[in-house]
Amino acid sequence: NAGVMQNPRHLVRRRGQEARLRCSPMKGHSHVYWYRQLPEEGLKFMVYLQKENIIDESGMPKERFSAEFPKEGPSILRIQQVVRGDSAAYFCASSLQRLAGKFQETQYFGPGTRLLVL
Amino acid sequence: QKEVEQNSGPLSVPEGAIASLNCTYSDRGSQSFFWYRQYSGKSPELIMFIYSNGDKEDGRFTAQLNKASQYVSLLIRDSQPSDSATYLCAVITAGSSNTGKLIFGQGTTLQVKP
Repeated sequence: NAGVMQNPRHLVRRRGQEARLRCSPMKGHSHVYWYRQLPEEGLKFMVYLQKENIIDESGMPKERFSAEFPKEGPSILRIQQVVRGDSAAYFCASSLQRLAGKFQETQYFGPGTRLLVL
Repeated sequence: QKEVEQNSGPLSVPEGAIASLNCTYSDRGSQSFFWYRQYSGKSPELIMFIYSNGDKEDGRFTAQLNKASQYVSLLIRDSQPSDSATYLCAVITAGSSNTGKLIFGQGTTLQVKP
C-alpha cells in the first residue's frame, strides 16, 4: 500500500522561474493538505483541497502561489516567479475523511519536495 | 501567544531513560491532538493521536491529554539513540475543525545519549 507520493524530491530553480510540485495522496484518501517548512521554522499550513475543489487556502501567499487537485491526477502546488524566500521544504499530507475527533482525519505526510531557489 | 507551543530544546536524556515532551495550546475548544516525529531532512511521521483526556499508550510511547490545563505530552520509555529526532505537536483547533488543518508547534529536539 503506497503512501503519499511527492515529486520531485528536490527541485532547483532560478529566480523568476516556475516551480511545480506534485502530490499523489494515499490510496483511498481524498483530502490533500499542503504545508511549508522554512529553514529553521515550523510547519505551516498552506492549502486544503478535495477533488476539484479548494476548501481552505488561508495559508497561501496572496500572489504567485496556486494549487489544484483535478479529478484525475495528482494535486499540484504551483509557484510562479520564484524568489529566494520560497526556498523551503514543501510537504503534502492526505487523510481519509474529515471527521472531527476520529482517526479518519489523521494526516499522513509524503516525503516532501525541497525547493532551492538560486 | 502562539496557538501551539513547545520548548525547542534540545532535550537530552541518557539511553534507557524516560523522555518527556510537552506541548500547550491556546484554543480551549481544540479536539484533536497529534504527535509526529521528524528526523533531520525527512518528513513528519505520525507517532500517535489522542482525542480524550487521559493517557493513551502504544508500545514505548504514551500520550497524555489534559484539556482543562490545555496541555498534551508525549512520554517515551526506554529511550534509544534512534529516538533522537524533532518531535512535533500538532493540534486541530476549534477554529480549524471544519477543515482539519494542523497547527504545529515549533518542535522539540530530543537527543538520546548512548
